[in-house]
Amino acid sequence: KAGVTQTPRYLIKTRGQQVTLSCSPISGHRSVSWYQQTPGQGLQFLFEYFSETQRNKGNFPGRFSGRQFSNSRSEMNVSTLELGDSALYLCASSLGRAGVNYGYTFGSGTRLTVV
Amino acid sequence: AQTVTQSQPEMSVQEAETVTLSCTYDTSESDYYLFWYKQPPSRQMILVIRQEAYKQQNATENRFSVNFQKAAKSFSLKISDSQLGDAAMYFCAYRSARGNSGYSTLTFGKGTMLLVSP
Repeated sequence: KAGVTQTPRYLIKTRGQQVTLSCSPISGHRSVSWYQQTPGQGLQFLFEYFSETQRNKGNFPGRFSGRQFSNSRSEMNVSTLELGDSALYLCASSLGRAGVNYGYTFGSGTRLTVV
Repeated sequence: AQTVTQSQPEMSVQEAETVTLSCTYDTSESDYYLFWYKQPPSRQMILVIRQEAYKQQNATENRFSVNFQKAAKSFSLKISDSQLGDAAMYFCAYRSARGNSGYSTLTFGKGTMLLVSP
């Protein structure tokens, strides 16, 4: 069974640019969550999608957005990049079923560096 | 809002020894799930062990076990017979059990770096 695939693994962008990150969940998983990981703030929740609908959103500015496609693949977009957006962006997939203690399966992340 | 606290930024252990990583959390909920994740240098977060709050029995996965104290809101991870491959950052995480809509996010602690020496 293939794991969670995130592309690209590394990305270098300039301030002011925009970036799109991709996440392909485990087959059969309908929920995709995104997390930002930085040394200072740790792991912070960005948003979660289930069946193409955003179910929850973390406390991030509107420059951070995402979407989920009918095949459950998800993309997140960051516009007008700032230096502080440099981070490891992790995607996690899960079954997303209520009442089930599903663990989340994470991808290896995309390391974004803004210069 | 729930919070998760890992008070040990770094821990060291020798191979074959036992080490315990601490985690406390704050919640007003009675039903929730707790997790320990491991993040090696490869960056991928790997699920180590999970615990349902309604279960009194502590979860065990091979050399990994937890000490879940619900009243004290404590969830420590014990690693027995430590191996060099156990060296990684370990994160404790909380998730509400209130269902899918808006409550299925993970709240993480800041992590504990585990160093394993030969």
